Amino acid sequence: DVKVTQSSRYLVKRTGEKVFLECVQDMDHENMFWYRQDPGLGLRLIYFSYDVKMKEKGDIPEGYSVSREKKERFSLILESASTNQTSMYLCATRRGTGQTGELFFGEGSRLTVL
Amino acid sequence: AQSVTQLDSHVSVSEGTPVLLRCNYSSSYSPSLFWYVQHPNKGLQLLLKYTSAATLVKGINGFEAEFKKSETSFHLTKPSAHMSDAAEYFCVVIWIGGSQGNLIFGKGTKLSVKP
Repeated sequence: DVKVTQSSRYLVKRTGEKVFLECVQDMDHENMFWYRQDPGLGLRLIYFSYDVKMKEKGDIPEGYSVSREKKERFSLILESASTNQTSMYLCATRRGTGQTGELFFGEGSRLTVL
Repeated sequence: AQSVTQLDSHVSVSEGTPVLLRCNYSSSYSPSLFWYVQHPNKGLQLLLKYTSAATLVKGINGFEAEFKKSETSFHLTKPSAHMSDAAEYFCVVIWIGGSQGNLIFGKGTKLSVKP
């Protein structure tokens, strides 16, 4: 079974703090994604990566950056957290670029910014 | 432009009655379609997927979905709801030629199950 691990399930940070959300997968998938989930808005793509050191902006990249130094690890960085970044963050992985492969999700990281 | 619409934001059923969660898509290409379930404070779990094989797809926990190209629909059904089915359900579309960034999620349907 694919395992996608988000190390922090719940975080509370203060405005202006730098926040790191880590995601590790154990199935050698090329593609990794970061989404945020908010009530009524569904899942929105922040960034994705299709290879080590490669990244692409999603629909809402502002205020975020990412890092993928190793294939198994994809980090989401909030350089200066703001209250409007309070949300559930979901990491996902996917094998290949074909049409048929599904996404595998981590358990999520719920971030509160005070 | 490609899109996916989940027609109901909230569905409420009684335990033991059928479940119908509706999903319509708009795509110029032949899509792959997925249903995911999310229980509170959890990640999303794949229920089932359609990838151009049989149009009636069976998934986990007794769920199934039928791909109807003429209606551009992929509705999720279950004959008899169980309390443990209470969760949020997401329809996802991927199409040929779509980039990794063009997986599209529906807004979700929250299913409540009354005893």
